Amino acid sequence: AQSVTQLDSHVSVSEGTPVLLRCNYSSSYSPSLFWYVQHPNKGLQLLLKYTSAATLVKGINGFEAEFKKSETSFHLTKPSAHMSDAAEYFCVVSLYSGAGSYQLTFGKGTKLSVIP
Amino acid sequence: EAQVTQNPRYLITVTGKKLTVTCSQNMNHEYMSWYRQDPGLGLRQIYYSMNVEVTDKGDVPEGYKVSRKEKRNFPLILESPSPNQTSLYFCASKREVGVIYGYTFGSGTRLTVV
Repeated sequence: AQSVTQLDSHVSVSEGTPVLLRCNYSSSYSPSLFWYVQHPNKGLQLLLKYTSAATLVKGINGFEAEFKKSETSFHLTKPSAHMSDAAEYFCVVSLYSGAGSYQLTFGKGTKLSVIP
Repeated sequence: EAQVTQNPRYLITVTGKKLTVTCSQNMNHEYMSWYRQDPGLGLRQIYYSMNVEVTDKGDVPEGYKVSRKEKRNFPLILESPSPNQTSLYFCASKREVGVIYGYTFGSGTRLTVV
């Protein structure tokens, strides 16, 4: 079975300290992986995507993620948290579902709190 | 502006009263999909459509119907809503079925069924 697991439902960091949001995936094929962010009462915004090019992917707002095949991980990091980073983050895998179609499967989300 | 538009943004209804949430995209996208978002469960796919008149079930289709009579519209129909369908709903589209990324999401519809 193919799936995506976000290891923490809630992460709390102090402003100015590093952020680490963990994601592991399970896939029989080479996956395409994404991180989406959802700010309170807002829609979903794409942070970054991995589609089998460089394993270190840079996204918007200073976020990065590294694809590690040996660890089946795609953790999201940021060197220094800002108050505006407080949001819910979703790790997403795009899976081939047959008939030439790709579908998204979402993790359960990690809520990031940033303490002043 | 290229976008996916959902209406309404907020809806409170009573059990059993049929309702429709509309979704429209102006990008001539081939693929459209509906998700529901529940706390601690992430987003789960309800139905998707690979083109006009082509729809299929996602992971949680029970209690929902969809139609795709024209390319730009993909309404979500709840024939007899129940309280367990209280959720935040997102519509999404992408240019082609076979494309891995390039999804555009709507702003969401918060539905409460009492």
